[in-house]
Amino acid sequence: GENVEQHPSTLSVQEGDSAVIKCTYSDSASNYFPWYKQELGKRPQLIIDIRSNVGEKKDQRIAVTLNKTAKHFSLHITETQPEDSAVYFCAALLKGNSGYSTLTFGKGTMLLVSP
Amino acid sequence: DGGITQSPKYLFRKEGQNVTLSCEQNLNHDAMYWYRQDPGQGLRLIYYSQIVNDFQKGDIAEGYSVSREKKESFPLTVTSAQKNPTAFYLCASTRGDGYTFGSGTRLTVV
Repeated sequence: GENVEQHPSTLSVQEGDSAVIKCTYSDSASNYFPWYKQELGKRPQLIIDIRSNVGEKKDQRIAVTLNKTAKHFSLHITETQPEDSAVYFCAALLKGNSGYSTLTFGKGTMLLVSP
Repeated sequence: DGGITQSPKYLFRKEGQNVTLSCEQNLNHDAMYWYRQDPGQGLRLIYYSQIVNDFQKGDIAEGYSVSREKKESFPLTVTSAQKNPTAFYLCASTRGDGYTFGSGTRLTVV
């Protein structure tokens, strides 16, 4: 079936470094790609999203890039801080057999930012 | 709490018992979803509903059932047919593309 692959599964960086998480998707018709941050025991929170009509989007220290030809998108966090430590999920809006589109999630990346 | 409320926060189930997880939203969203989260597995779709009185199976629907009698409510029943129900269950809703999640229910089989 349609899926989303996410790498790496864990990422450790020093405070102030940059972090990059990469995802690939299988459905070329997919046109919406959100990123969620989930702190331990909490709900996932949308941090940034991108649609297929743009190649890059920035929001302060966070940016997302999309390469539709290669079917991959990435999350970039600059000047990382300890409070960025969490699990990050990418997702892609994929059309299922029912004809409706739903979000399919990657398996997550645990980011640890050390002071 | 963010417009979408899940209850209870923690739930314990005995072997062979059905349990129902509640999900209520006051965001006037048409679509609602149930995901299951296991360590290292990400979020997997159980059931979803785009409109009242209609719902579709997701990737892992076996052993679960849902209803959508009201726009605001989308309860999930974990039946005795679900052999490994211990997990964190997340409900979500949307009017467009971005999902809003509830705070989750942690279900444990005892």
